[in-house]
Amino acid sequence: GENVEQHPSTLSVQEGDSAVIKCTYSDSASNYFPWYKQELGKGPQLIIDIRSNVGEKKDQRIAVTLNKTAKHFSLHITETQPEDSAVYFCAASRAGGTSYGKLTFGQGTILTVHP
Amino acid sequence: DGGITQSPKYLFRKEGQNVTLSCEQNLNHDAMYWYRQDPGQGLRLIYYSQIVNDFQKGDIAEGYSVSREKKESFPLTVTSAQKNPTAFYLCASRLFEGDAGELFFGEGSRLTVL
Repeated sequence: GENVEQHPSTLSVQEGDSAVIKCTYSDSASNYFPWYKQELGKGPQLIIDIRSNVGEKKDQRIAVTLNKTAKHFSLHITETQPEDSAVYFCAASRAGGTSYGKLTFGQGTILTVHP
Repeated sequence: DGGITQSPKYLFRKEGQNVTLSCEQNLNHDAMYWYRQDPGQGLRLIYYSQIVNDFQKGDIAEGYSVSREKKESFPLTVTSAQKNPTAFYLCASRLFEGDAGELFFGEGSRLTVL
C-alpha cells in the first residue's frame, strides 16, 4: 500500500518568513495530493491540492509543487502570519478505479508562526 | 448550514465497555469515512462507506465496527476488543466516491479510556 512520509514534524518561523513542508510517497500510481490544515480542536480542512498532471499550483500565499520522478511534493507558505499556526497534513491517493478515494496521510507538521 | 456533526465531543469509557460515536452529515455526500488520529501518526483510516448498507475495512479496522443504514449517518462503535482506544476520532465525507476531491471533516470526538 501507499506510504507517505512528512518532514519536519515541527517547524517554527518568524512572522513574514516562508515555511516549507515536504512529503514523499511510495506508490507511483498515486495521482492526487491534497494538503490539509488542522487548527486546535478542529477537524482538518483542505487548503490546496494538486493532481499529477501539473507540477505546481498556487493560491495566494500558498503553493504546492510536485516532482513525480522523485515522488515528492511540498507545501510552500510565504509571508507567514500567526493565523497560519496549525498542524498541516499532506496526503496521497489514486483517484478513480478501485481506490475508493482512500487517502494516505503523512504524520503531520506542527507549524508555529511567532509574531 | 451544511456540514458534518460528530458527537459527543468528549467521551470517557471504562475498560471493557463498548462506545458508539455519532457522525451525521447534511451535505448529501455518498462516501463517508472514519479516521483515527494519534500524536505523530497522522490520520489512519478505520472504515469507509461508499453507499448505504455497504462499507469496507480501512487500515486499522480491528476492534471497531460501523453501520450505514442511512445516507446521512455513519456511526462508529469502539468495542472492548480495541486494545488502545484512547484517541481523537474524525469522521469525514466526500461527494463522489472513487474520485479525487475534498474530504469534509467533522470537529472530532476525543475518547479516553479510564
